Amino acid sequence: QVQLQESGPGLVKPSETLSLTCSVSGGSVSSGSYYWSWIRQPPGKGLEWIGNIFYSGFTHYNASLQSRVTMSVDTSKNQFSLKLSSVTATDTAVYYCARLIGDFDCFEMWGQGTMVTVSS
Amino acid sequence: QSALTQPVSVSGSPGQSITISCTDTSREVRNYNLFSWYQRHPGKAPTLMIYEDNKRPSGVSDRFSGSNSGNTASLTISGLQAEDEADYFCCSFQGRRNPYVFGTETKLTVL
Repeated sequence: QVQLQESGPGLVKPSETLSLTCSVSGGSVSSGSYYWSWIRQPPGKGLEWIGNIFYSGFTHYNASLQSRVTMSVDTSKNQFSLKLSSVTATDTAVYYCARLIGDFDCFEMWGQGTMVTVSS
Repeated sequence: QSALTQPVSVSGSPGQSITISCTDTSREVRNYNLFSWYQRHPGKAPTLMIYEDNKRPSGVSDRFSGSNSGNTASLTISGLQAEDEADYFCCSFQGRRNPYVFGTETKLTVL
């Protein structure tokens, strides 16, 4: 059974860079059948797709966040990561990692999510 | 702001059926949208319930079914059970710029 687990600081200062990692167990990030995604949900608001990464390093980001987002994959650690720069309070959210089946355009597996608060 | 609108809440008694709608309110013209549906219990990871409008992943109860009329998708849960009480949200592919758009979420209460 594949499991995804987000990890990273729960508090980030404004203007700094938010960094999160998603550890994958029971499956491989090197699988060519999936994309690996980040999704977030600010308090009281809807879910927002942040971006996808393929094991080769190919990325696709939400156009509204593209200038601040960097995603990477570490096949040796079976992890993928998110960096979001120049954060503000509006970046406060629960951040989820997920596995995307591109052929079906659906998120087949999700992590539990991790709350990140942007505050000084 | 989500382009997929869902009712804020729905409720039903055990054994009854309920339907949750997901309407694409964007102004873009698309040939066809494919929708997926997710269940999320508080503090838990979301679970894929329906993909490609009406397909169920292995392990999902056949009490869950989906349909799509073009710009409105629906999730129907029949034979409601207490364990179905959760938040539900839809998702649709909306083009290359921002491919994956989510619905506004619906809270299901089992009375």
